[in-house]
Amino acid sequence: DAKTTQPPSMDCAEGRAANLPCNHSTISGNEYVYWYRQIHSQGPQYIIHGLKNNETNEMASLIITEDRKSSTLILPHATLRDTAVYYCIVRVNYGGATNKLIFGTGTLLAVQP
Amino acid sequence: DAGVTQSPTHLIKTRGQQVTLRCSPKSGHDTVSWYQQALGQGPQFIFQYYEEEERQRGNFPDRFSGHQFPNYSSELNVNALLLGDSALYLCASSLLQGTSPLHFGNGTRLTVT
Repeated sequence: DAKTTQPPSMDCAEGRAANLPCNHSTISGNEYVYWYRQIHSQGPQYIIHGLKNNETNEMASLIITEDRKSSTLILPHATLRDTAVYYCIVRVNYGGATNKLIFGTGTLLAVQP
Repeated sequence: DAGVTQSPTHLIKTRGQQVTLRCSPKSGHDTVSWYQQALGQGPQFIFQYYEEEERQRGNFPDRFSGHQFPNYSSELNVNALLLGDSALYLCASSLLQGTSPLHFGNGTRLTVT
């Protein structure tokens, strides 16, 4: 079973920030939080990952709470092309990260014009 | 820089037949993993290959087997196809060490009739 909980769907107006929450209350100290998205009929696309500090890249920002039990992915200015299923995943890293990602059902983000 | 490439993109097979799917990893990556994604579900981990050996396996029967070649490319073989094997098969590549994210291809859509 997935170790994360996400809302099944969210709407966002084009140009506004999209804030996607994820609960991972059983996360362990050596587990990272990864976010992927999947646009219809394509493979999952890596967005961002983090351990305990907030992270930002050209696609998004990742805010992880101090107790690491939850996180939020922020798309600062959503566009119609951001409509996709967003997956929050915890990934164990023993020094070599496992490739066994456990995907839940994700959040379907619908960006409205 | 080519990303992960998979072939073929679509395939139709009959129950009981065997199928081979192919994957070329992203340049510089040494680890390949395979995932199965049924319609409306998140991807499920099949297995991971590194240094031409299967390193980790998900909950899939022995009908699912794989191979990794010296150039890091990989094949997924499925024997005795069942109707339930109809799915999108995704290949992902990464570096074994560190927190290198998995990069996914766009998959092979397998239909079993």
